[in-house]
Amino acid sequence: DGGITQSPKYLFRKEGQNVTLSCEQNLNHDAMYWYRQDPGQGLRLIYYSQIVNDFQKGDIAEGYSVSREKKESFPLTVTSAQKNPTAFYLCASSPLAVVHTDTQYFGPGTRLTVL
Amino acid sequence: DAKTTQPTSMDCAEGRAANLPCNHSTISGNEYVYWYRQIHSQGPQYIIHGLKNNETNEMASLIITEDRKSSTLILPHATLRDTAVYYCIVRTQGGSEKLVFGKGTKLTVNP
Repeated sequence: DGGITQSPKYLFRKEGQNVTLSCEQNLNHDAMYWYRQDPGQGLRLIYYSQIVNDFQKGDIAEGYSVSREKKESFPLTVTSAQKNPTAFYLCASSPLAVVHTDTQYFGPGTRLTVL
Repeated sequence: DAKTTQPTSMDCAEGRAANLPCNHSTISGNEYVYWYRQIHSQGPQYIIHGLKNNETNEMASLIITEDRKSSTLILPHATLRDTAVYYCIVRTQGGSEKLVFGKGTKLTVNP
């Protein structure tokens, strides 16, 4: 099946620990995104990447880091510098609008709880 | 800030059509109207999008007014599984522009 996978679905970590969230897509999409969603709120963009080995900060990048070593993978690291990391994290991907409509498709999300 | 206005909540009977309105009075000529929905604790699901013509796919129909200042998402035969928060988003294409989700409309489909 083509799609976006995120793992794990639920993640618990102790305060002060770094944690890496996985996002993989087999849709051959060029662009990938990380959003954060807090209860009752909309999505806020953390980082995005249009091509391999390149990425840009979104609105709330502080305390997060990403890498894009492969087209299909865009892992997000939540560092100990992130002051309020407990949230629902969503990964998305899209084709580039040059060739296709750049509709973003989302993964199932990872709910991170920092204890 | 979201560029759209939607009702906070709506109810619909199972099997009936659900018509979800969205106002986007400041939409510009190169901006598309996108609809997503989010079922509780899941990632948002793309439904449909359009520029100025009405659009239909296997999930829904999108009706955009001639002046493009408002639109309506139609789920022709709502089921219990359509209960979700529906988001209307206005955006251009290209440039990897982020999606700005407002509060959306909580649609509850009742048996």
